[in-house]
Amino acid sequence: DTAVSQTPKYLVTQMGNDKSIKCEQNLGHDTMYWYKQDSKKFLKIMFSYNNKELIINETVPNRFSPKSPDKAHLNLHINSLELGDSAVYFCASSDRQANQPQHFGDGTRLSIL
Amino acid sequence: AQSVTQPDIHITVSEGASLELRCNYSYGATPYLFWYVQSPGQGLQLLLKYFSGDTLVQGIKGFEAEFKRSQSSFNLRKPSVHWSDAAEYFCAVGPIDNTDKLIFGTGTRLQVFP
Repeated sequence: DTAVSQTPKYLVTQMGNDKSIKCEQNLGHDTMYWYKQDSKKFLKIMFSYNNKELIINETVPNRFSPKSPDKAHLNLHINSLELGDSAVYFCASSDRQANQPQHFGDGTRLSIL
Repeated sequence: AQSVTQPDIHITVSEGASLELRCNYSYGATPYLFWYVQSPGQGLQLLLKYFSGDTLVQGIKGFEAEFKRSQSSFNLRKPSVHWSDAAEYFCAVGPIDNTDKLIFGTGTRLQVFP
């Protein structure tokens, strides 16, 4: 009965590869987010979707492409992975209309070799 | 510009001792304020939030925080720390730029000695 679930939990791959991280929430929320947490634990938002519409798009390389097939899913595809992409990526969701706080997944630790 | 500062990178306390984690913010109006906790290998769990009203907010796991507008602070407190409280604690402020974007502080790592 996990509220926000991400897969995979760990992702180890080589530079130049393309990879995807999936996120699903079963809370009935209308808004989902992707955050990046670097090695110093600094957490920064990357994207946000509300009802499948992109509403926040921070200064992120266009190698990163979010896709929201429906309100309950927000996937993150990364092309041509670079060493600097190594981080923990967190998915989150919230009920924007109800002004509720964000609920986070357990994160995906991405390591680039 | 909006920002959040957590002055203490690392705090160590003995089990049973009281705890206060500091959070200062810069924001043009009355902010929404949050404290999240991150245990090793886990995501962020919401401890408590302040939107409006009573400036003393109660959260889960025995935590509370007080919003002090005059000091631009939202410090997190717990009267008696348990070993299971050892984790990373993040303060956050929002909304930003009329979106529900949050700005997070750099975190405070809490270590608890038996």
